Amino acid sequence: DGGITQSPKYLFRKEGQNVTLSCEQNLNHDAMYWYRQDPGQGLRLIYYSQIVNDFQKGDIAEGYSVSREKKESFPLTVTSAQKNPTAFYLCASTGYTEKLFFGSGTQLSVL
Amino acid sequence: SQKIEQNSEALNIQEGKTATLTCNYTNYSPAYLQWYRQDPGRGPVFLLLIRENEKEKRKERLKVTFDTTLKQSLFHITASQPADSATYLCALVDSGYALNFGKGTSLLVTP
Repeated sequence: DGGITQSPKYLFRKEGQNVTLSCEQNLNHDAMYWYRQDPGQGLRLIYYSQIVNDFQKGDIAEGYSVSREKKESFPLTVTSAQKNPTAFYLCASTGYTEKLFFGSGTQLSVL
Repeated sequence: SQKIEQNSEALNIQEGKTATLTCNYTNYSPAYLQWYRQDPGRGPVFLLLIRENEKEKRKERLKVTFDTTLKQSLFHITASQPADSATYLCALVDSGYALNFGKGTSLLVTP
């Protein structure tokens, strides 16, 4: 089945620790996105990538980093500089149809 | 600054009635507007896309209007069912080609 796979579903971070959220897609989409969602809030854009080896900061990039070495993969690292990382993280991709396809999300919590 | 505004208050309606959700925006010149559905703990799912030269679009029980003069989109669900209960998100593309989302409106359809 084609789609976007995010892992893990739940993740716990200790203070001062970097953690990496995985996002893989087999839809052959060029563009990929990372959003953060806090309870009762909308989606806020962290980073996006229109093409391999290129990415742009979104509205809330501070404390996060990404890489796009392969078309299928767009991992997000939540660094220790992100002081309030607890949130639901969503990865998405799009091809030429403009609509976004989302993964099932990763819930990150701080221990 | 760019804003996408959706009713923050939940909308409660009775089964069989028509639900109408509103999306207003400022400082966007969107070529198109999208609506997504999000269930708790899940990623959003694409519903409809309407372009700037389209006044109205329909898909089964869903209808979307787009008024670029008023800078508003209305999203209608006719003959609503309890299974329609979810949060509905409006989204617009910015100048960097990234999709920005409103905070969403929660819809509850009661039998």
